[in-house]
Amino acid sequence: NAGVTQTPKFQVLKTGQSMTLQCAQDMNHNSMYWYRQDPGMGLRLIYYSASEGTTDKGEVPNGYNVSRLNKREFSLRLESAAPSQTSVYFCARGTSGSLNTGELFFGEGSRLTVL
Amino acid sequence: GQQVMQIPQYQHVQEGEDFTTYCNSSTTLSNIQWYKQRPGGHPVFLIQLVKSGEVKKQKRLTFQFGEAKKNSSLHITATQTTDVGTYFCAGHNVNRDDKIIFGKGTRLHILP
Repeated sequence: NAGVTQTPKFQVLKTGQSMTLQCAQDMNHNSMYWYRQDPGMGLRLIYYSASEGTTDKGEVPNGYNVSRLNKREFSLRLESAAPSQTSVYFCARGTSGSLNTGELFFGEGSRLTVL
Repeated sequence: GQQVMQIPQYQHVQEGEDFTTYCNSSTTLSNIQWYKQRPGGHPVFLIQLVKSGEVKKQKRLTFQFGEAKKNSSLHITATQTTDVGTYFCAGHNVNRDDKIIFGKGTRLHILP
């Protein structure tokens, strides 16, 4: 998993419940990302973090919040889950101190189902 | 906002045939990356192209970056069953908004 660990791997929620997806890297890279993957939609960027303490919206941020409290961890929170948030979520880290200069390494994904 | 379009969405080829996927951006890119995702797996980095007109090869895979840095292609020669998966391009634009935007991917299916 290229040093990116996501938990949980699977989760089933009821509409309106909240939960947090955790992501941790075992390297000391600045940039981290959250993507969601839906059939036929590819990978869509939810939020990203250029460095510890900073976060920015991606393509589809509505309904999500993120937290980058330290360099290793970047969490994604659903405050009130909706069926439209049923998806596979991938966390990724960059490879250098400056975004977009290197490849992304992805975690194995978290499959979330909202009933 | 920046959009990255990729075609075709699906491709079925006989084993041994060639395969090409194309990527087009609505804005000029600083660089473009290609990833492969096996069924049930996560995206894995293949290559990054940075220079206008750049061509890179990895065994049977050939990657090109357009002169205007707005389009790219991945060509696989003589496909094998191990090539099965979804191929994604991803890039960001020269304004350096720090986003890496993915295309929707091309799913390659190999017929034996």
